[in-house]
Amino acid sequence: QLQLQESGPGLVKPSETLSLTCTVSGDSISSSSYYWGWIRQSPGRGLEWIGNIYYSGSTYYNPSLKSRVTMSIDTSKNQFSLKLTSVTAADTAVFYCAMSRKPYCSGNNCYPAYLESWGQGTLVTVSS
Amino acid sequence: DIQMTQSPSSLSASLGDRVTISCRASQSIATYLNWYLQKPGKAPQLLIFAASTLQGGVPSRFSGSGSGTDFTLTISSLQPEDFATYYCQQSFATPWTFGLGTKVEIK
Repeated sequence: QLQLQESGPGLVKPSETLSLTCTVSGDSISSSSYYWGWIRQSPGRGLEWIGNIYYSGSTYYNPSLKSRVTMSIDTSKNQFSLKLTSVTAADTAVFYCAMSRKPYCSGNNCYPAYLESWGQGTLVTVSS
Repeated sequence: DIQMTQSPSSLSASLGDRVTISCRASQSIATYLNWYLQKPGKAPQLLIFAASTLQGGVPSRFSGSGSGTDFTLTISSLQPEDFATYYCQQSFATPWTFGLGTKVEIK
């Protein structure tokens, strides 16, 4: 069974860089069937998709965060990571890593991407 | 960005009730619509994808319908473990976007 686990500092100072890592177990991060992504949740913003990364390193970012976000993937460690620069208090949120199944067709049915597995989430607070 | 609007934002219901939650997209998204359930302090979990396909292990009392801009999640007979917040999400176009959620509470 696929499992994801976020790790990283729970407190980041304003203007600094938030860095999180997601460790995947139970399947290979090099699978061509999946995207690996980050979502955050805060009372003010609800659930917000940050972006996805593919095993090849291709990335898809939310335009609202694109200038501050970098995602990377380490297939040797079965991990992927998120960096968010120049953070402010508005970036305080619970951050989830997740596996999305890519769009696929089975028989006569075609299916869109969906967030199939999630990590438990990690609270990151931005404060001095 | 595609805006997802859920209604109601909250509802009170009793065990055994039939519950319906609506989700409307700001433009047509075909059936690129997924539903999630979230319990307090936990990550969201996938219930339904492609508007109407039940994720493995999800009880058959859950069903989804709709296409284009209007979608519905139905719980045919509310059980104790169903009291939670439900979210719709579109994957028709990036950025993927979520509704603000519908909180189902005990009457």
